[in-house]
Amino acid sequence: AQSVTQPDIHITVSEGASLELRCNYSYGATPYLFWYVQSPGQGLQLLLKYFSGDTLVQGIKGFEAEFKRSQSSFNLRKPSVHWSDAAEYFCAVLGETSGSRLTFGEGTQLTVNP
Amino acid sequence: GAGVSQSPSNKVTEKGKDVELRCDPISGHTALYWYRQSLGQGLEFLIYFQGNSAPDKSGLPSDRFSAERTGGSVSTLTIQRTQQEDSAVYLCASAHNSYEQYFGPGTRLTVT
Repeated sequence: AQSVTQPDIHITVSEGASLELRCNYSYGATPYLFWYVQSPGQGLQLLLKYFSGDTLVQGIKGFEAEFKRSQSSFNLRKPSVHWSDAAEYFCAVLGETSGSRLTFGEGTQLTVNP
Repeated sequence: GAGVSQSPSNKVTEKGKDVELRCDPISGHTALYWYRQSLGQGLEFLIYFQGNSAPDKSGLPSDRFSAERTGGSVSTLTIQRTQQEDSAVYLCASAHNSYEQYFGPGTRLTVT
């Protein structure tokens, strides 16, 4: 069965600093991968997705992610973090079997210091 | 355009009572999902509807949980005889092609 691991439960960065959130997946075939962001009291907003093709994908709000099959990773990056990026970030993989459910990682809570 | 909407946004109920949570998907989306988000379990899949096909109920944690989708649009998640461990945020998502899922704001359920 597919699984997703986000090794960092909590990350703190200064505003303007670069950001990388780690995501590792376990999946038998070529995965469909996603990053979602959740602000307090809100639902999940889709940041970006990888289905196939170019392994570097661009998303909204200046985020990008790189798919590395050899490392089973799909890390999220942003060159310069803004205070409004403080939120919880979830990596997810789409199941190939029976219903295309998403399997989520545990989430990474991002704090941005002024 | 309008996104996925859910109601109520918050629900407090007494243990043993039944609750109904509603989800209005994005118009035209044929796939609809329910997930649960709780502190101990993270984000868990509950149930999936796709068009007129039989729903995938494999994520429902017990037979106290059920869901229906009427007319291929609105969905209701029902929890009977609520327990304290049912306290969580219940998220609904819809998708046009079962790939990109768009989430609603969730319903926070508190069982006292």
